[in-house]
Amino acid sequence: EAQVTQNPRYLITVTGKKLTVTCSQNMNHEYMSWYRQDPGLGLRQIYYSMNVEVTDKGDVPEGYKVSRKEKRNFPLILESPSPNQTSLYFCASSPLGAGEYGYTFGSGTRLTVV
Amino acid sequence: DQQVKQNSPSLSVQEGRISILNCDYTNSMFDYFLWYKKYPAEGPTFLISISSIKDKNEDGRFTVFLNKSAKHLSLHIVPSQPGDSAVYFCAASALDTGNQFYFGTGTSLTVIP
Repeated sequence: EAQVTQNPRYLITVTGKKLTVTCSQNMNHEYMSWYRQDPGLGLRQIYYSMNVEVTDKGDVPEGYKVSRKEKRNFPLILESPSPNQTSLYFCASSPLGAGEYGYTFGSGTRLTVV
Repeated sequence: DQQVKQNSPSLSVQEGRISILNCDYTNSMFDYFLWYKKYPAEGPTFLISISSIKDKNEDGRFTVFLNKSAKHLSLHIVPSQPGDSAVYFCAASALDTGNQFYFGTGTSLTVIP
């Protein structure tokens, strides 16, 4: 089954403790991206990658890191999480130029930073 | 600056009636417009799209209308069913920004049986 897999689905952590949210896709997509969803703000892009070793900032990159060492994986790293990073996170992927069909999204990771 | 806006956070409709969800955008360079549907505890899923060269696209009970002069698109669901209750996001992209999609804030649709 074609899918984007995120782990973990739920995570509670303490301020300052480094964490990684993994994302993997099995569709050989070039493009991958991370979004966060917050009430009243919709989906905001954190980082994206158009291919291996190519990453770029989205609209809200502060406090996050990403890497794209392999085509299928695009982990999101929070080096020193803070409570304002409590949010619902989605990983997404698509072929390049997928204007008509958009992204395939993962099921989401609910992160709480206390 | 929000390039894609959904001004109605929520909408309630009786089962069998029409649901109309609206979306406005500011960038005249957008080439594709999409609607996504999101259930709780799931990721958004693609619903329907429209190219900027068209003014209407239909898929079963779902129709998207595009008014480029007004920079407005709408999603019509006819007839509405309780299973349509979800959050709907509109999104837009421009060819010159590659795969970048800009999302609205979402409209929560409740279809009342």
